[in-house]
Amino acid sequence: EPEVTQTPSHQVTQMGQEVILRCVPISNHLYFYWYRQILGQKVEFLVSFYNNEISEKSEIFDDQFSVERPDGSNFTLKIRSTKLEDSAMYFCASSESGGLRLVVSDTQYFGPGTRLTVL
Amino acid sequence: KQEVTQIPAALSVPEGENLVLNCSFTDSAIYNLQWFRQDPGKGLTSLLLIQSSQREQTSGRLNASLDKSSGRSTLYIAASQPGDSATYLCAVNYGGSQGNLIFGKGTKLSVKP
Repeated sequence: EPEVTQTPSHQVTQMGQEVILRCVPISNHLYFYWYRQILGQKVEFLVSFYNNEISEKSEIFDDQFSVERPDGSNFTLKIRSTKLEDSAMYFCASSESGGLRLVVSDTQYFGPGTRLTVL
Repeated sequence: KQEVTQIPAALSVPEGENLVLNCSFTDSAIYNLQWFRQDPGKGLTSLLLIQSSQREQTSGRLNASLDKSSGRSTLYIAASQPGDSATYLCAVNYGGSQGNLIFGKGTKLSVKP
């Protein structure tokens, strides 16, 4: 069964450093998302991406964050200058959308996550 | 503000019991609602998606219901098994096919053998 993959599974970085989190969405999916979950808290939306541009972003997604689809398969989240409060599990998700069977096409499928630890 | 609440925060049941997990949302104008399972330190596994026009959706031993007017959804698990032990998350989409999900904090389920 197709699945969303993410690398690395765990990233440790020093405060102020840049990090890039990578995701490979499901191949026929058109919509891509990043979410994060701080330990013990709710999963929070960061950004959605379609047709090579941001569709929507939350107030968390400030100028320190950026997303890119550098090729036909990868989707990346970059944090330019990490802060201690960026420590969280970051999840990538994708959905097919636009299909006739909405229950299938609107379902968001999540990757296993990247645990980011900022020291 | 659109919020999603899940009660109880934790639930412990003996194996074989049928159980119901609750999810409530403040704004009834939802597009769809998705239930997930999260194992410790792992990603989210999609269980069921229920569209705003639907009353319920079933997959195996799982049944999700939706009552938009009262702002509630339930996830019914039949004949629970120890392997069902996980945190169950409810997430609401207000934005359409490409809309983002607003999550509840989850219910941590423990099924005792």
